[in-house]
Amino acid sequence: DTAVSQTPKYLVTQMGNDKSIKCEQNLGHDTMYWYKQDSKKFLKIMFSYNNKELIINETVPNRFSPKSPDKAHLNLHINSLELGDSAVYFCASSQTLLGTQYFGPGTRLLVL
Amino acid sequence: AQTVTQSQPEMSVQEAETVTLSCTYDTSESDYYLFWYKQPPSRQMILVIRQEAYKQQNATENRFSVNFQKAAKSFSLKISDSQLGDAAMYFCASSSGGTSYGKLTFGQGTILTVHP
Repeated sequence: DTAVSQTPKYLVTQMGNDKSIKCEQNLGHDTMYWYKQDSKKFLKIMFSYNNKELIINETVPNRFSPKSPDKAHLNLHINSLELGDSAVYFCASSQTLLGTQYFGPGTRLLVL
Repeated sequence: AQTVTQSQPEMSVQEAETVTLSCTYDTSESDYYLFWYKQPPSRQMILVIRQEAYKQQNATENRFSVNFQKAAKSFSLKISDSQLGDAAMYFCASSSGGTSYGKLTFGQGTILTVHP
């Protein structure tokens, strides 16, 4: 019954490693997003896909690469992890570009 | 560009009382939407209420209501009959079309404590 799911929920890794976070929505929505919540709880958009097409890339380092294999999935791959990448990453989806966004449970990433 | 400002880092309320959380925003778009999201300690982001800018009537959802002042670019959230489960961080957010492509721009958040 989970509408927007993310795996894993927690991720602890070493600097320099590569990791992926997966997101799936079963709401039939056309648009998916990745947001980053930093240590001060500030939330900021990273990427947005509409019908598998990238429409927002918000000045995120090239080490971050989103991939949308289909409308129900939006994965986030991070290369060469840095300490500053430690944060909570949220996936969200909406029916349309201006629809209400529903969030996944978040993935807490800790880079040591 | 959109900006959202929450000037109250923390607020507290007694159980069963009413509390109002403040939010101001700025946007150059004529068609935009405003939201309040709640983030309890579980960190799940939960939609509380949504307001379409073209609607003059203030949105309400049970104990939650907004005071949308379009000219003043103000969007406050009123929680009536506060419950212990309302304790959370509350985020005000806006979205619009145009070059924003529907992305949510969030305020800094307000931590709400509910005292029994």
